[in-house]
Amino acid sequence: SYVLTQPPSVSVAPGETARITCGGKNIGSTSVHWYQQKPGQAPMLVIYYDSDRPSGIPERFSGSNSGNTATLTISRVEAEDEADYYCQVWDTNRASVVFGGGTKLTVL
Amino acid sequence: QVQLVQSGAELKKPGASVKVSCKASGYTFTNYYIHWVRQAPGQGLEWMGISNPGGTSTTYAQKFQGRVTMTRDTFKNTVYMELTSLRSEDTAIYYCARVRVRGPKPHFDPWGQGTLVTVSS
Repeated sequence: SYVLTQPPSVSVAPGETARITCGGKNIGSTSVHWYQQKPGQAPMLVIYYDSDRPSGIPERFSGSNSGNTATLTISRVEAEDEADYYCQVWDTNRASVVFGGGTKLTVL
Repeated sequence: QVQLVQSGAELKKPGASVKVSCKASGYTFTNYYIHWVRQAPGQGLEWMGISNPGGTSTTYAQKFQGRVTMTRDTFKNTVYMELTSLRSEDTAIYYCARVRVRGPKPHFDPWGQGTLVTVSS
């Protein structure tokens, strides 16, 4: 089955830029979506189709996808951005949804 | 606004079954697929399958085939996920999530609030 690999954790100081990667074989040929999940809450979509933002999501959140790596970038990180982040794709071959293992973003 | 509201927490014994509901509002129920995702304590997201509110077709993750059934009631704007032969490893929060738009690259917005299912003797 298709595997998405994320780093377990990323730490960044307030005001800096956080980059969370999502690795997968030839992931650049498909669309990647990203979710933010805070403790005790349901996941929330923050990026879809690699780089589009739903309404209400700050412009500080951006995404890119090329080759074997997709990246969620959070600029000017704020304390409220501390959360778990998951990437997700649709595996056409298996007609199934695949999630990455998740990355815990810590704001120092 | 578009909203999914799930049923309350459940405590089940090993071997039992659980049926979780997900009531949709704020849009035409039959127009958007709803997926089910679960999350074990302290773990990541695990996809379970797809419910088609507009028809009877369903798709289940291979891991759950034979144990899961997803149904819908169009009069109640509600989809259901039933999981049988429960074991302790099925202890998790179960989420329903609507596809944001219809199309071949599903992604989810909004999500239900989640339903905690605890399997314990």
